[in-house]
Amino acid sequence: EAGVVQSPRYKIIEKKQPVAFWCNPISGHNTLYWYLQNLGQGPELLIRYENEEAVDDSQLPKDRFSAERLKGVDSTLKIQPAELGDSAVYLCASSTGRTKGWTGELFFGEGSRLTVL
Amino acid sequence: KQEVTQIPAALSVPEGENLVLNCSFTDSAIYNLQWFRQDPGKGLTSLLLIQSSQREQTSGRLNASLDKSSGRSTLYIAASQPGDSATYLCATRGAQKLVFGQGTRLTINP
Repeated sequence: EAGVVQSPRYKIIEKKQPVAFWCNPISGHNTLYWYLQNLGQGPELLIRYENEEAVDDSQLPKDRFSAERLKGVDSTLKIQPAELGDSAVYLCASSTGRTKGWTGELFFGEGSRLTVL
Repeated sequence: KQEVTQIPAALSVPEGENLVLNCSFTDSAIYNLQWFRQDPGKGLTSLLLIQSSQREQTSGRLNASLDKSSGRSTLYIAASQPGDSATYLCATRGAQKLVFGQGTRLTINP
């Protein structure tokens, strides 16, 4: 079974340019998360989706960040315009929905490393 | 607001030693606690998941314990190997989201 797939793995852009990251969760996982990880830190939640609905986006800087999960499967995270401080790893994770037997275990992708020059 | 702390930030031990990584959290109202491993430049790999009703979980040479009343979890690694070198992160799940510690960077010296 395929894990969480993210692309691109690496992206280098100049400040003020736009950038987009894509995530394909594990098949059947209704819940999708985007996390931000700075060097030497633990991941911090940006947004959580239940199917196509963003149920927690309180930590997403909405002036420049946006996300979508139109059909409740793949998701895209966009930054426009990028700033120097956005250099970090953007991690996508997924888990099953809250049905009987739900464990709450999260599965992560390899991440997308962004460098803003 | 949940705060998760991992001490020490870095640990270096000789191969073959048994070791313990610590994780503490401020809010005991958690649904579960998950331990992850992260290799440089990689994503997070789930190691062990302990539900709030459980005391410990084991997988191979790894054993994780959970004491909600004291707000602590430990990850025990037996007979450490150089391949165990990585950053280990713990995370607690509350009502909705996961809160991570900053991780312990472990180095096993041959």
